[in-house]
Amino acid sequence: DTVLTQSPALAVSPGERVSISCRASEGVNSYMHWYQQKPGQQPKLLIYKASNLASGVPARFSGSGSGTDFTLTIDPVEADDTATYFCQQSWNDPRTFGGGTKLELK
Amino acid sequence: QIQLVQSGPELKKPGESVKISCKASGYTFTDYAMHWVKQAPGKGLKWMGWINTYTGKPTYADDFKGRFVFSLEASASTANLQISNLKNEDTATYFCARMIRATGGFDYWGQGVMVTVSS
Repeated sequence: DTVLTQSPALAVSPGERVSISCRASEGVNSYMHWYQQKPGQQPKLLIYKASNLASGVPARFSGSGSGTDFTLTIDPVEADDTATYFCQQSWNDPRTFGGGTKLELK
Repeated sequence: QIQLVQSGPELKKPGESVKISCKASGYTFTDYAMHWVKQAPGKGLKWMGWINTYTGKPTYADDFKGRFVFSLEASASTANLQISNLKNEDTATYFCARMIRATGGFDYWGQGVMVTVSS
């Protein structure tokens, strides 16, 4: 299975820029997607296919990368961005998710 | 607007079965595959598999072969997940999610169903 590795947690101040990384154990082309999940809610798609902004998602969110290394960037961070962020690949079967990065605001 | 509305929470005993539904609205149900995702309490997301909503063919991830069944009520735009012989480790929230064609991302999710297995 393709293992996706994310840092467990990050803490940033509002107004700053934050980059959340996701490293795949094998290449996934550009088939990496990013989700935001707040407690008690379903995940919300932010970025699909590495760099495409999902409908209705603020332009403060952006994605980059290909192959095995991917980044979700939020600039600037707002208080409402407190959440856990997951990456997910759809190039290899089975589809897999990263363990999630919990973003906290200082 | 597009919605996936799932059934309510379930409390079951080990060995029992449970059936969870996911009713889609706002789009043509058979145009998009439906995937299922498990989230154990305080844990991450785990992909369970998917069902082709046009043919009804299910595909299961290895960890979900045997006790898990994906099915459809296409006339009702509903996808179902049935889990038999429930175990404590099945305690989790189960999400249905619509897959974006040609990319594999999940653009719409159900609100999730919490299944608690406890004696």
